[in-house]
Amino acid sequence: QSVLTQPPSVSGAPGQRVTISCTGSSSNIGAGYDVYWYQQLPGTAPKLLIYGYNSRPSGVPDRFSGSKSGTSASLAITGLQAEDEADYYCQSYDNSLSGYVFGSGTKVTVL
Amino acid sequence: QVQLQESGPGLVKPSGTLSLTCAVSGGSISSSNWWSWVRQSPEKGLEWIAEIYYSGTTNYNPSLKSRVTISVDNSKNQLSLRLSSVTAADTAVYYCARDPSHRGYFDYWGQGTLVTVSS
Repeated sequence: QSVLTQPPSVSGAPGQRVTISCTGSSSNIGAGYDVYWYQQLPGTAPKLLIYGYNSRPSGVPDRFSGSKSGTSASLAITGLQAEDEADYYCQSYDNSLSGYVFGSGTKVTVL
Repeated sequence: QVQLQESGPGLVKPSGTLSLTCAVSGGSISSSNWWSWVRQSPEKGLEWIAEIYYSGTTNYNPSLKSRVTISVDNSKNQLSLRLSSVTAADTAVYYCARDPSHRGYFDYWGQGTLVTVSS
């Protein structure tokens, strides 16, 4: 139902690299709008992880990085740690819906 | 450090009106930032509702526009949300969030408040 599609779950062992995809369309990511990423721990509000062109707010480790190509974007987490276990969401703007849109969310599990 | 705090009734009757307030501290609401309401439910995930600038300029999610009113009170440094004709589908955690200089993302969020629509 979400405008931006993410895999429901990804998993990896500590220290590994995982990627989360965010697939949109020509009215959002494909139209050139930036993609932002949030981390949500259980029972808390989303926390901004990536903004602009792969920029991170103060305090966010450089293990997190974002990229975009065509109508899709990706979040990479390198050197996976137990504390990275959370839900992750992408977000952009959609010009046909005239508003901000979020991804369906991806649960990251650290094995 | 900017902090946002939502408040309002946790239970609203079907067909009633949901009313929430977001108090902003650690910074002025009358700045270059925009302020939004976002909700989250298991069924719909994260959903942007509306945004407002301190001048009163607003934008709404077209799917909710007919039922939503967002407003700002600069003297109290707070923003508000009203959602009318609510149904069970409006049950969600409601967040207020800041969009710095209207860049299109949300860098500060409130802790969220759960609103349940039920008789």
